[in-house]
Amino acid sequence: EAQVTQNPRYLITVTGKKLTVTCSQNMNHEYMSWYRQDPGLGLRQIYYSMNVEVTDKGDVPEGYKVSRKEKRNFPLILESPSPNQTSLYFCASSLQANTEAFFGQGTRLTVV
Amino acid sequence: EDQVTQSPEALRLQEGESSSLNCSYTVSGLRGLFWYRQDPGKGPEFLFTLYSAGEEKEKERLKATLTKKESFLHITAPKPEDSATYLCAVHYYSGNTPLVFGKGTRLSVIA
Repeated sequence: EAQVTQNPRYLITVTGKKLTVTCSQNMNHEYMSWYRQDPGLGLRQIYYSMNVEVTDKGDVPEGYKVSRKEKRNFPLILESPSPNQTSLYFCASSLQANTEAFFGQGTRLTVV
Repeated sequence: EDQVTQSPEALRLQEGESSSLNCSYTVSGLRGLFWYRQDPGKGPEFLFTLYSAGEEKEKERLKATLTKKESFLHITAPKPEDSATYLCAVHYYSGNTPLVFGKGTRLSVIA
């Protein structure tokens, strides 16, 4: 089954404690991206990757890092999480940037 | 100024009452306009991609159309299971090829 898998689904952490949210896709897609979704603000792109070892900033990259060492994986790293990073996060993948995107189930992160 | 604006923010329909959702965009060099459906607590689910003005696509009770500055998602004879948030997104030529989402229209269909 074609899918994008994120882990964990739910996470509560404390300010400053480094964390990683994993994302994996099994569709051999070139393009992957991370979004955060907040009430009243909609989905905003954090980072994206056009291909292995190629990543770039989206609209709201501050406080986040990503890596793309393999085609299928695109982890999101929060080196020092802060409460304003409390949000619902989605990973997505697609063949290209302007084609249909498949989204993961989401990760609800709470930073206290 | 928002690059992608969806209206209305919320829409309540009776079952069978057809209507349209609007997505207007201000970006230039459009490479694709997307419609997604999102159910509470879940990831967006792809519905349509439109690439050029005049293009139309249909799927069951949904039909998406595109002009040079806006797109419409027409819902014909909706059912309660069509209740969801409908998201519009645009991809356009720029230095860093972002995908920009609107804030969505929350649709409720009442039986």
